[in-house]
Amino acid sequence: DVQLVESGGGLVKAGGSLRLSCAASGFTFNSYSMNWVRQPPGKGLEWVSSLSHDSTYSFYADSVRGRFAISRDNAKNLLFLEINNLRVEDTAVYYCVRDPGYCDTSDCYEVFDFWGQGTQVSVSS
Amino acid sequence: DIQLTQSPSSLSASVGDRVAITCRASRNIDRYLNWYQQTPGKAPKLLIFATSNLRSGVPSRFRGSGSGTDFTLTISPLQPEDSATYYCQQSYNDPPLTFGGGTKVEI
Repeated sequence: DVQLVESGGGLVKAGGSLRLSCAASGFTFNSYSMNWVRQPPGKGLEWVSSLSHDSTYSFYADSVRGRFAISRDNAKNLLFLEINNLRVEDTAVYYCVRDPGYCDTSDCYEVFDFWGQGTQVSVSS
Repeated sequence: DIQLTQSPSSLSASVGDRVAITCRASRNIDRYLNWYQQTPGKAPKLLIFATSNLRSGVPSRFRGSGSGTDFTLTISPLQPEDSATYYCQQSYNDPPLTFGGGTKVEI
C-alpha cells in the first residue's frame, strides 16, 4: 500500500527554521513528482511546492518562494521541505502529496492521488 | 493566477438527496479540474480527476462534469458518509496549482 509519513513539524518562533520530511513507501518513489500542500487551521488548502521525479524541476507558491526549499533523496525514498524565516501565517498542517501525472489521449494532468496524514507547523510571534 | 470560486460554501441536505457543488474558474482551464473530499481531522482524498474521471474505488454516486470555466460535482444519492468538505483544484496554469475555497456538506 502507498504510504506517505510526514515528520519534523513543531512549534517555533517567527524567524526560525524547520525541516519537514516525508517517508514514502509502497510505490516506486523515483517515478513520481511530489508536492507539499498546507492547510492553516480552519481554512482551505494551499499548494506550496512541487518537485519533479528526478529533481530537475521545482516550483513554489509566491507566498513561500525564497524561504522554502523542496528536495528529495530517491535512494532513501524521502521528500523534504526546508522552511526558513518562518512567519506566523505559515502556521498550518503540511501534507506530503504524490502526483502520478495522469495522461489521456490528448493531455496530461497533475493529480494529487495520495496524501500523508500531515505534520503541524505552528509559528509564534 | 487562476482563481477558483466554489458555491455554495456550505449546504445541508438529507440522505438520498441529489446535491450539486459548482466550481467556477477565473479563466478557461479546459478540463484540468480535480475534486477532493476531506473529513474533519483527515487528509483530503482524491475523488475525481480531469473533470469527470472517477478515481478507482470511489462510489459511482459521485459525478464530475463541465469544461472551460464552469464545473460541477454531483452526489446522488447522498449518503451519511458523504458529510465532508469538498475542494476543487486546477492544474491548467501551473504554477501555482490552486484550490477552491471549499464546500462543506452537512447531512
